[in-house]
Amino acid sequence: SYELTQPLSVSVSLGQTARITCEGYNIGSKNVHWYQQKAGQAPLLVIYWDTYRPSGIPARFSGSKSGNTATLTVSRPQAGDEADYYCQLWDTSTGVFGGGTKLTVL
Amino acid sequence: EVQLVQSGAEVKKPGESLRISCKVSGYNFTTSWVGWVRQVPGKGLEYLGIIYPGDSETTYSPSFQGQVTISADKSTGTTYLQWSSLRASDTAIYFCARRNTFLALAFDRWGQGTLVIVSS
Repeated sequence: SYELTQPLSVSVSLGQTARITCEGYNIGSKNVHWYQQKAGQAPLLVIYWDTYRPSGIPARFSGSKSGNTATLTVSRPQAGDEADYYCQLWDTSTGVFGGGTKLTVL
Repeated sequence: EVQLVQSGAEVKKPGESLRISCKVSGYNFTTSWVGWVRQVPGKGLEYLGIIYPGDSETTYSPSFQGQVTISADKSTGTTYLQWSSLRASDTAIYFCARRNTFLALAFDRWGQGTLVIVSS
């Protein structure tokens, strides 16, 4: 079965840039989506189709993809951006989520 | 406003059956797929399956095929996730989510989640 690999955690100081990676075989041929999940809440879509932000998502969230890796970038994250982040795609009609990355803002 | 409102928390015993619900509003229920996602407490998101309420076409993750059943009722705008015989390992939060064709099949709206506890 298809797998997506994310780092367990990413820590960043206020004012720096956080990058969360998502690795998967042939990910370049698939559309990658990113979700933010704060403690006790449902997931929230923050990036769809690799690079697009839904309405209402701040511009400090951006997505990119290169080779077998998709990346979610949070520029100058705020304390309120502390959350778990999940990448997701569709592989032969089956949804696949990455294991999730906990973003800590120091 | 698009909303997905799920049924309340459940506490069940192993071997019991259960059906939880997800009622949608604010969009045409029959023209968007609705998926189900599991989250064991403290763990990540797991995809269970998805249904197209227009004709009830359903697909399941191979990992959950045969373990759960997804259904929909067009008359009430509700999709269901059910178990015929619960196990302790089914203890988790279950989310429903709308898949949006215009956003490259991303899940753009989510229910609030339903906690299911299975314990003897």
